[in-house]
Amino acid sequence: EIVLTQSPGTLSLSPGERATLSCRASQSVSISYLAWYQQKPGQAPRLLIYGASSRATGIPDRFSGSGSGTDFTLTISRLEPEDFAVYYCQQYGSLCSFGQGTNLEIK
Amino acid sequence: QVQLQESGPGLVKPSGTLSLTCAVSGDSISRNKWWSWVRQPPGKGLEWIGEIYHSGSTNYNPSLKSRVTISVDKSKNQFSLKLSSVTAADTAVYYCARDPVVGATRGMDVWGQGTTVTVSS
Repeated sequence: EIVLTQSPGTLSLSPGERATLSCRASQSVSISYLAWYQQKPGQAPRLLIYGASSRATGIPDRFSGSGSGTDFTLTISRLEPEDFAVYYCQQYGSLCSFGQGTNLEIK
Repeated sequence: QVQLQESGPGLVKPSGTLSLTCAVSGDSISRNKWWSWVRQPPGKGLEWIGEIYHSGSTNYNPSLKSRVTISVDKSKNQFSLKLSSVTAADTAVYYCARDPVVGATRGMDVWGQGTTVTVSS
């Protein structure tokens, strides 16, 4: 079983700033099998990134994903008010699992 | 436009069986995709329950495997979840989702709105 650990648990930033979210896997994960989601209160998750670095349809280019092996990063280059939400990483390297989430809140 | 819609009882008694259905519109469940169930307990993160391929092949979360069955009904273009011997710990919002498997990559690109299931007597 692959465990994903996201850090930080909470990130407090202001609109216009850059956000860097981390996802560390307990075992190596193929980049094909790493995805990122955004979830706002009362809503279903939304796919942002698949294949570690490919943006899903309709996702703004301020969102980018990178990484390989056990360390992956989601970067939001310049925060917009609508970006404040909870973010989850997900792996399919061994069955499927999600990280515990990073809460991106307005400072 | 692809849409997924969960349906089923919102209240299940302890030790009973939770049964949910996900109706798929705008896509064929018979195409090469994985169809998944994910849940989210109140105030907590996402937990993958399991998935089914159009062929009927399934994968389950090891922590739930002994209690979970996911099946597909191609004639109705829907798939279903059954979770047996439920307890209060199974209270959650249950989501169904589609994974189109783009190339060799995975990711759930379409989600249902979610349905709340409470386990209580």
